Amino acid sequence: DVKVTQSSRYLVKRTGEKVFLECVQDMDHENMFWYRQDPGLGLRLIYFSYDVKMKEKGDIPEGYSVSREKKERFSLILESASTNQTSMYLCASSFQQGSNQPQHFGDGTRLSIL
Amino acid sequence: EDQVTQSPEALRLQEGESSSLNCSYTVSGLRGLFWYRQDPGKGPEFLFTLYSAGEEKEKERLKATLTKKESFLHITAPKPEDSATYLCAVPMDMGRRALTFGSGTRLQVQP
Repeated sequence: DVKVTQSSRYLVKRTGEKVFLECVQDMDHENMFWYRQDPGLGLRLIYFSYDVKMKEKGDIPEGYSVSREKKERFSLILESASTNQTSMYLCASSFQQGSNQPQHFGDGTRLSIL
Repeated sequence: EDQVTQSPEALRLQEGESSSLNCSYTVSGLRGLFWYRQDPGKGPEFLFTLYSAGEEKEKERLKATLTKKESFLHITAPKPEDSATYLCAVPMDMGRRALTFGSGTRLQVQP
């Protein structure tokens, strides 16, 4: 079974802090993704990566950056956390072969910015 | 722009009462449609991929079907443990390799 592990289930941080969310997958997937999920807005893509050191912006990249130094690990960074970044953050991974491969998700990090 | 719309937003069923969830989409060239189940406080769990109109997939009490404009998730004789939010998604344009999700149907099955 595919396993996508997010480092924290719950996280509370303060406004202005630099926040790191970590994600690791064990299936040798090339593609990795970060989404945020908010009530009424559904899942929205923040960033994705299709290879080590490669990244592409999603629909809502402002205020975020990412890092992919190793194939299995994809980090999301909130450069200076703000209250409107309070959300559920979901990491996913999939095989490279085209865009029609299912994505497998971690259990999410519920982040609160105070 | 690719759009995915799910209905109803919420559905309450009695145990054993069969029903269907709808996912309609507008995409330029469908490259697959995915169904996921999401339990509260968890990430989406992959259920099915459908690639072409007329295709069907089954898993226990769930059956997914696909036409050129929409997909249905049929739930036969549901049990309380089928209570969850069901999401459908389609691939974004090829270069982005990510998914566009519908807003989901929140299903509650009462004993």
